[in-house]
Order: sequence, then C-alpha cells, then structure tokens
Amino acid sequence: EVQLLESGGDLVQPGGSLRLSCAASGFTFKYFAMSWVRQAPGKGLEWVSAISGIGTGSTTHYADSVKGRFTISRDNSENTLYLQMDILRVEDTAVYYCAKGDTAMGILDYWGQGSLVTVSS
Amino acid sequence: EIVLTQSPGTLSLSPGERATLSCRASQSVSSFLVWYQQKPGQAPRLLIYDASNRATGIPARFSGTGSGTDFTLTISSLEPEDFAIYYCQQRSNWRYTFGQGTKLEIK
Repeated sequence: EVQLLESGGDLVQPGGSLRLSCAASGFTFKYFAMSWVRQAPGKGLEWVSAISGIGTGSTTHYADSVKGRFTISRDNSENTLYLQMDILRVEDTAVYYCAKGDTAMGILDYWGQGSLVTVSS
Repeated sequence: EIVLTQSPGTLSLSPGERATLSCRASQSVSSFLVWYQQKPGQAPRLLIYDASNRATGIPARFSGTGSGTDFTLTISSLEPEDFAIYYCQQRSNWRYTFGQGTKLEIK
C-alpha cells in the first residue's frame, strides 16, 4: 500500500525558512517522479515543484511563484522527499501536499494528507 | 504558463442527476488533462488521466472526454459521495497547472 507522510509544517515569520519532509513507502521510491502541491486556506490547488525519478536524472522543476526560494530534493536511500522553503512570504501560507507521480509524467496518483505551513508575524 | 478555466464555479444538482463539468485550456494540451476529486479535509484523489482514462478503482459513472483545449468530466448519475470539488490539471509540460475548481453541491 502506497503511503506518503508529510511532516515539518509550522508557524514561521516572513523571511524565515522551513523544511518539509515526505516519507514514502509501499513503492520503489527512486523510480518515480514526486511533486509538492499546495492549497491556501479556502483556495484551490497550486503545483509548487517536481523532481523526476532516478531514471531521468532527478531533474527539478518549479512554479514561478517559488523559483529561487524553494528547493526540492530527494533521498532515495531514505525514501524521503524534501522541500526547503526559504525567504517565506505570507502568501506561502498553505497546506502542502506531497504527491507521487505515475509512470507518466504529471499524473499524481497518490497524495499525502498534507502539512500546514503558516507564515505570519 | 497554461491557464485552465473551469466552469461552472458551482453546480447544484440532486442525487441521480447527470453532472457535466468543463475545463478549458488557454492553449492546446493535447490529451494531457487530468481530473481530481477533493472532499473537505481530504487530499485530492485521482479520477481521470489523459482526458478519458479512469484511474484504478474509479466507478464507471465517471467519464472524461476532450482534447486540445476543451475537456469535460461527466458523472452519469450522481451518488451522495460524489458531492465534492473537482479540479482539472494539465501535464503537457513540467509546469503543471490546475484549474480553479468546480464545486458540486447538493441541490
């Protein structure tokens, strides 16, 4: 059974940093692309970042809204996905979901339950 | 960036009725269009991928059609558990984008 468990969400001041983790199990993690998707309170879904699997060099991709501030990475030995978030803004406040990609790029077939990040002074 | 526009914003129907949800892309995404369902307090769930393919375990009452810029999600006969928010997402390139969602509510 595929499981994705996010952690690391917290209250942080504007300009601060936070690192989210997503522990994966139930599939061969290293082969699959992974994404972070966020949802601001009462709003829709926004794709944040993706990282490809080992077969395509673990290339990274970012939404314009976070490029240069967020860094996605993965530890295939620990089956864990990360999102390092720097220079946080109030508008980054959201539930952050970790999602597994299907064998085809961009089909998010399993999602975690989310981790709440609140950016406020 | 490819913009996805969903309509209507809210759809009010009764159980047993047919629901038709639309998603329009600002430029062609070929058939690389995905639909998700999200219920309050839950993570999204994959419904349809590549415009018309049901994901594993999704009931046959859910179907998707379309290509290029215009896509439709149809629920043939609404069950009580189908009332939720539905999002479309394009995967034609790595810069995935979502539509703003259609809320399907009980009339």
